[in-house]
Amino acid sequence: KQEVTQIPAALSVPEGENLVLNCSFTDSAIYNLQWFRQDPGKGLTSLLLIQSSQREQTSGRLNASLDKSSGRSTLYIAASQPGDSATYLCAVKGFRETSGSRLTFGEGTQLTVNP
Amino acid sequence: GAGVSQTPSNKVTEKGKYVELRCDPISGHTALYWYRQSLGQGPEFLIYFQGTGAADDSGLPNDRFFAVRPEGSVSTLKIQRTERGDSAMYLCASSSPTSGTGELFFGEGSRLTVL
Repeated sequence: KQEVTQIPAALSVPEGENLVLNCSFTDSAIYNLQWFRQDPGKGLTSLLLIQSSQREQTSGRLNASLDKSSGRSTLYIAASQPGDSATYLCAVKGFRETSGSRLTFGEGTQLTVNP
Repeated sequence: GAGVSQTPSNKVTEKGKYVELRCDPISGHTALYWYRQSLGQGPEFLIYFQGTGAADDSGLPNDRFFAVRPEGSVSTLKIQRTERGDSAMYLCASSSPTSGTGELFFGEGSRLTVL
């Protein structure tokens, strides 16, 4: 059974700092990995998706990397802003044969960027 | 539609009542997922539809929970004899298997509170 762990659970940084959020997963047989942002009481917004054959994806100030063999992904946020404050969720998608194409989520990292 | 639409956004009910939550996926997306998220936790998989049929319902917690998707588009999650422990955010997502990426797009969720 796939298990996803996110460290740290919470992070508070001053504005302008670069930061790294960590995600690890137990079964390396994944189809893809997706990072989401969730604002309080809201749904999930997709930030980046990395296919199992890829090593990283970039969008603006965000960069996500994937090391499938070691079961790890990182989300790098450059020059953090107060508007980046939210919960960041990592999720892996398995293959239909093993997990019915579902996403398995970590518990998230709650990020606070202080002005 | 432009995105995944979920109604109602908020539902307050009394213990023992019946509740229906609706999800309208992105037009053309044949895959539809329901997730449940408790406060401070990551989303947990409930059920996955491919077209009209439930391809994987292994995440439904018990027989009080049921979901349908009769025409392969809109889906309804039905909860009978609600209990206080059913209080959570219920999230719906859709994806297009033909896109090749397997990316899931989430709605804003339905917040259920059982008094």
